[in-house]
Amino acid sequence: NAGVTQTPKFRILKIGQSMTLQCTQDMNHNYMYWYRQDPGMGLKLIYYSVGAGITDKGEVPNGYNVSRSTTEDFPLRLELAAPSQTSVYFCASRGDRGGEPQHFGDGTRLSIL
Amino acid sequence: RKEVEQDPGPFNVPEGATVAFNCTYSNSASQSFFWYRQDCRKEPKLLMSVYSSGNEDGRFTAQLNRASQYISLLIRDSKLSDSATYLCVVNMITGFQKLVFGTGTRLLVSP
Repeated sequence: NAGVTQTPKFRILKIGQSMTLQCTQDMNHNYMYWYRQDPGMGLKLIYYSVGAGITDKGEVPNGYNVSRSTTEDFPLRLELAAPSQTSVYFCASRGDRGGEPQHFGDGTRLSIL
Repeated sequence: RKEVEQDPGPFNVPEGATVAFNCTYSNSASQSFFWYRQDCRKEPKLLMSVYSSGNEDGRFTAQLNRASQYISLLIRDSKLSDSATYLCVVNMITGFQKLVFGTGTRLLVSP
């Protein structure tokens, strides 16, 4: 029962480097989300998707891009890493019914130095 | 006004105590409500959904007050393992269904 899988679990990047955070889910969920969580703070929504081919910005999208070519995968791209992007990144998914909760991956801890 | 507001705490309680958290939400059209638990540096995990009639799961009881737009979580007979941050989550209906997370209430249970 994999649920939501994120890779990598940890990564250190240099300023200006790029990388892709991977997220995949095996629950056939249409809704997927990317959040970031800074130390001692709440979750902030970066991007979300309501189905394959459909994505939209959350509250903190600057510096990130996403794609959703399949139902299962929702990668998050950092093009020019900046120290302000040091954070823990969580991917989540949920089913279509209104009362469905979100299921989270176990996070990617990213440091930009 | 924030969409979802919680007292950040921390709430420091001894083992065996009863503790309650409240959470207020701004959108009266909200349909679904949840409590999540988050341990330090871990992902949030669903603790329980909150139903209109209130619901109980072992030592945990959740209540919804639509008139006053708040939900509550009551923990009885606190255990050391209950120490965590409790996130209030509200499903907002704003064009599409959006789950809004509160910033969390920290609970510390001591021996």
